[in-house]
Amino acid sequence: RKEVEQDPGPFNVPEGATVAFNCTYSNSASQSFFWYRQDCRKEPKLLMSVYSSGNEDGRFTAQLNRASQYISLLIRDSKLSDSATYLCVVLASGGSYIPTFGRGTSLIVHP
Amino acid sequence: NAGVTQTPKFRVLKTGQSMTLLCAQDMNHEYMYWYRQDPGMGLRLIHYSVGEGTTAKGEVPDGYNVSRLKKQNFLLGLESAAPSQTSVYFCASTLQGREKLFFGSGTQLSVL
Repeated sequence: RKEVEQDPGPFNVPEGATVAFNCTYSNSASQSFFWYRQDCRKEPKLLMSVYSSGNEDGRFTAQLNRASQYISLLIRDSKLSDSATYLCVVLASGGSYIPTFGRGTSLIVHP
Repeated sequence: NAGVTQTPKFRVLKTGQSMTLLCAQDMNHEYMYWYRQDPGMGLRLIHYSVGEGTTAKGEVPDGYNVSRLKKQNFLLGLESAAPSQTSVYFCASTLQGREKLFFGSGTQLSVL
């Protein structure tokens, strides 16, 4: 079982739609969680960190469920510019901090 | 403040040739990482370093070597390139390991 799993999609949604992605992780000792956005094989860019209490940044909301070992990303009022691949990153500490990436979820927002 | 700089951006090698990819960061970060990204595979960790003079293997280290002689530089070497090493390579760094990753712009490597 891969340490960090994501549905690869693609999620094909119209502009204005609400879409949600989940990411499950297997290491219960994982400490930090992030969502990154990647466009067309360019370098990933941080979208948001994920905090235990959940957090929101404009149209984006991230949640953490430690009991079920998953994080989620909700995008409201989708824009064409939201089309990208969304990468889940989980950080566990076994002495060193090693970021582990999911394979990414592809989002396509159409007019 | 340049952040993380990777060189070269593109390279074509013949099977058996060697090359070195350079990653340089000017943020005084302790942790540095090399990832490769293949279609449908996400980013997979090749090697990483938790400080000057230290290196460790990641998920897919075979066929690669690394060195971190200076804190700001993390070199990735391919001694004898193989077609299976055709990929996009990303370097990244973090201050102490728990913070967000800063990425280089990537290296597209093709091995013929």
